[in-house]
Amino acid sequence: EAQVTQNPRYLITVTGKKLTVTCSQNMNHEYMSWYRQDPGLGLRQIYYSMNVEVTDKGDVPEGYKVSRKEKRNFPLILESPSPNQTSLYFCASSLFGAAGAYYNEQFFGPGTRLTVL
Amino acid sequence: DAKTTQPNSMESNEEEPVHLPCNHSTISGTDYIHWYRQLPSQGPEYVIHGLTSNVNNRMASLAIAEDRKSSTLILHRATLRDAAVYYCILRDGGGGSQGNLIFGKGTKLSVKP
Repeated sequence: EAQVTQNPRYLITVTGKKLTVTCSQNMNHEYMSWYRQDPGLGLRQIYYSMNVEVTDKGDVPEGYKVSRKEKRNFPLILESPSPNQTSLYFCASSLFGAAGAYYNEQFFGPGTRLTVL
Repeated sequence: DAKTTQPNSMESNEEEPVHLPCNHSTISGTDYIHWYRQLPSQGPEYVIHGLTSNVNNRMASLAIAEDRKSSTLILHRATLRDAAVYYCILRDGGGGSQGNLIFGKGTKLSVKP
């Protein structure tokens, strides 16, 4: 089944403790992206990747890192989490990057609910 | 990206058609109209998209006004599973995009049995 998977689905952690949220897609998609969703603010893009080894900042990148060493995986790293990073996180992928970004549908993962105490 | 305006909420009865409106008066000639929905406790899900002509797929139909300043997502027979927040999003076909979807507040659709 074609899908985007995220792990963990739920995570409670403490301030400053490094964590990684994994994202994997099995559709051979070039483009992958991370969003966070907060009440009243909607979904906002954190980082995106047009292809392997190509990543760039989205609208709210502060406090986050990403890497894209393989096409299928796009982990989100919080080196020193803070309470303002408590949010619902979604990973997404689509077939093509920039050239087809405007018409490709994006496939979203099920979400990771992160709480930072 | 141009802005869209949608009603905050709408109600429908099960098995009846639903018309979800979206205004985008500042749309440019290269903007595609996309619709996504987000069911409770799930990630957003692609529904349909179009440029100028009306579009149909297995999930819904998209009716685009002749001047392209508005569009309507049509669910032909609403089911309880269609209760979700529906987002109308414009995507620039002119290139140079970082590929992100700009989600507004959307329309929360409730479906009554």
